[in-house]
Amino acid sequence: NAGVTQTPKFRILKIGQSMTLQCAQDMNHNYMYWYRQDPGMGLKLIYYSVGAGITDKGEVPNGYNVSRSTTEDFPLRLELAAPSQTSVYFCASSYGSSGAQETQYFGPGTRLLVL
Amino acid sequence: GDSVTQMEGPVTLSEEAFLTINCTYTATGYPSLFWYVQYPGEGLQLLLKATKADDKGSNKGFEATYRKETTSFHLEKGSVQVSDSAVYFCVILGGAQKLVFGQGTRLTINP
Repeated sequence: NAGVTQTPKFRILKIGQSMTLQCAQDMNHNYMYWYRQDPGMGLKLIYYSVGAGITDKGEVPNGYNVSRSTTEDFPLRLELAAPSQTSVYFCASSYGSSGAQETQYFGPGTRLLVL
Repeated sequence: GDSVTQMEGPVTLSEEAFLTINCTYTATGYPSLFWYVQYPGEGLQLLLKATKADDKGSNKGFEATYRKETTSFHLEKGSVQVSDSAVYFCVILGGAQKLVFGQGTRLTINP
């Protein structure tokens, strides 16, 4: 199993550009999550999904959109990139019906720089 | 709201030294507690967890005890190795069934 994979590993965007961060998992997990980590800070939840077709906002959703058309994939879309979105983005997944109570498996992260 | 405070880094130790990384939390009730570790170039992975008061989580020589009196979950290891160099995150399961992360502590072990 590859686990949770994320692409790209690193990206530089200009202000106002858009991009999609890709996330895929091959563990048949129901729950998937997007976090961001700013320097010296803990991870903050952007969006999450409890299954295909179901998504919900986390703590810091503004400026982002998500979709979950399949169990495996959970892309994160940035529209009109801003310098405040410079961060490291982590995707995670978990299996259990109790959601975050289950162990979350993380991807290696995408480092995004908006200039 | 729920929050986690952990020891400021970076922490640098020599091989075979004793390690403590302090973690305290603020939350309603008795949340489940976790330590996640991020090795260089990899994603976060669960190191250990404790789900109720006085539980001790352990893995790979690391231990942490759920102390409800002091709302703490300090990470300890008796003899660290170079391979333990990583970033360590203290995490709680918050009131909205979402994980709340500390800021992470970077640990470097010198041979």
